[in-house]
Amino acid sequence: SQKIEQNSEALNIQEGKTATLTCNYTNYSPAYLQWYRQDPGRGPVFLLLIRENEKEKRKERLKVTFDTTLKQSLFHITASQPADSATYLCALEGSGGYQKVTFGIGTKLQVIP
Amino acid sequence: ETGVTQTPRHLVMGMTNKKSLKCEQHLGHNAMYWYKQSAKKPLELMFVYNFKEQTENNSVPSRFSPECPNSSHLFLHLHTLQPEDSALYLCASSQATGGAQETQYFGPGTRLLVL
Repeated sequence: SQKIEQNSEALNIQEGKTATLTCNYTNYSPAYLQWYRQDPGRGPVFLLLIRENEKEKRKERLKVTFDTTLKQSLFHITASQPADSATYLCALEGSGGYQKVTFGIGTKLQVIP
Repeated sequence: ETGVTQTPRHLVMGMTNKKSLKCEQHLGHNAMYWYKQSAKKPLELMFVYNFKEQTENNSVPSRFSPECPNSSHLFLHLHTLQPEDSALYLCASSQATGGAQETQYFGPGTRLLVL
């Protein structure tokens, strides 16, 4: 069966360090993978999209990698700040007539000052 | 703000009540979505509309009834809900229904409690 796995345990890191979040998937062949940020009681906010033929994508302090062989995406936040504390969701295309997007459960990141 | 608004932000209803959730997008998008987010579960897609036409109903119980009068407005009509329907209901929009190559813009959600 299809599965998207994100580390549902909270990730605590010290301010200034690099946070690395993992998204693993099974029985998908996504052409695109997205990362979103969600703050408590709010809707997700789009951060980055990476295509299957792109190994890496960067945006300011954010970096995403996409390894279709390992079926894994890594999401890095460098020089992390307390304001980066949030839940981060990965999303990719599943099966379905209209290219349905399926979200992972998300990883809660806590950056400690 | 994302350009997607939802009302009400919080709703408490009894199992015999009828209520409606409203979503409006100011982005000129053609696709709109309803999602359900329960604690410790991933976002669950409920309905998709593309150019006002429903293109996806993800096996949602009939006590949830969507309505899309135009590309900017989306409603979710609720009746005879169950306590397990308590969740955060999120509306989203995108330019088209192109899967994960499309960015989805989410509203702030309606926190629903069914007593």
